[in-house]
Amino acid sequence: NAGVTQTPKFRVLKTGQSMTLLCAQDMNHEYMYWYRQDPGMGLRLIHYSVGEGTTAKGEVPDGYNVSRLKKQNFLLGLESAAPSQTSVYFCASSATGGENQPQHFGDGTRLSIL
Amino acid sequence: ELKVEQNPLFLSMQEGKNYTIYCNYSTTSDRLYWYRQDPGKSLESLFVLLSNGAVKQEGRLMASLDTKARLSTLHITAAVHDLSATYFCAVALWGNYQLIWGAGTKLIIKP
Repeated sequence: NAGVTQTPKFRVLKTGQSMTLLCAQDMNHEYMYWYRQDPGMGLRLIHYSVGEGTTAKGEVPDGYNVSRLKKQNFLLGLESAAPSQTSVYFCASSATGGENQPQHFGDGTRLSIL
Repeated sequence: ELKVEQNPLFLSMQEGKNYTIYCNYSTTSDRLYWYRQDPGKSLESLFVLLSNGAVKQEGRLMASLDTKARLSTLHITAAVHDLSATYFCAVALWGNYQLIWGAGTKLIIKP
């Protein structure tokens, strides 16, 4: 059972470079989320999607863009990376957005911006 | 604005002891989640609490929810080393998809 798969697992970028993080889920979940996790802090929601073709902003969306062209994939883009975006990025999915449906997480992408 | 506070943020305890982690939140919510994270790993769902007075138990962990006090507790009974991890609570805005997360409680259980 793959669940939620994130690619890549590690990446080092230089300031100003761009990159895309890929999240794929095989559970046929409608909802998908991108979070960042910084030391000593809980997760913060960057963007989320409630279905194919839809996206919405979370708590900390600035500097990021997302796309959900296929139900199983949710892409997170950094157009011009900044050192403040050094973080661990987690993707999650859930069957629905609420009730008793927990979010299922990928293993994370550790991103360093130099 | 919904804020979620966990305490303590760090807890070191001996095996066999009992302890409680607290999660306070600032505004009305209709559900609360507890997750576990091992170092360098992903997050694992432990409990989903949906109503006032809800209590759920799994092994040595028991979670409860008091919506009137806006408080959830995660109680550890007779701790064992394998429970060492960081525990997060996350609270949903009423009728919303977004979760607001606590900062986490790093639990170290010494043999």
